[in-house]
Amino acid sequence: DSGVTQTPKHLITATGQRVTLRCSPRSGDLSVYWYQQSLDQGLQFLIQYYNGEERAKGNILERFSAQQFPDLHSELNLSSLELGDSALYFCASSVATEAGVQFFGPGTRLTVL
Amino acid sequence: GENVEQHPSTLSVQEGDSAVIKCTYSDSASNYFPWYKQELGKRPQLIIDIRSNVGEKKDQRIAVTLNKTAKHFSLHITETQPEDSAVYFCAALMYMEYGNKLVFGAGTILRVKS
Repeated sequence: DSGVTQTPKHLITATGQRVTLRCSPRSGDLSVYWYQQSLDQGLQFLIQYYNGEERAKGNILERFSAQQFPDLHSELNLSSLELGDSALYFCASSVATEAGVQFFGPGTRLTVL
Repeated sequence: GENVEQHPSTLSVQEGDSAVIKCTYSDSASNYFPWYKQELGKRPQLIIDIRSNVGEKKDQRIAVTLNKTAKHFSLHITETQPEDSAVYFCAALMYMEYGNKLVFGAGTILRVKS
């Protein structure tokens, strides 16, 4: 157990819908990262937050957005869902003093039908 | 550009043999290289990492080597066991203007045959 939690574990929804994935980092970690894992694209970085502020952005679609709240939990919002958005979504957290050392949560498996 | 290439894509070894997975990276500013193990349907789990100020790091049966000049790093697993069967990902830390991200290789499926 990495100490990073994610809910829900599984999500099944229809095209065009909107979903929210939630992540709580390890106690004391200020950074949260979101990654998408699909069969054809591997593990792809989406976005990083540090202490409530957006710090880095990857190839995140405009239909996707995220935020980090004052209690440091983070949410990833996916809207106008398409079949191709079906994937595993992981969040990871990191302590500021050890750049790069990221611990992953259990992931949310999103299925878009 | 930012790219991490990983080879081989699949690797089958006999129990007790060694396994080696190799990665190359493109960003010369990268200074941190972790390896993750992922079992089917589970989270990527950090198993070992190395920073650019050292050339080798060992943890029991696992070792990682880094050649900064050639921009490549490798994972070595000795005395492989069936429970080592998983997908292994290498990654390189890349710095952005105000933050950072891990760029992952495509993964290696390791099968240890007993």
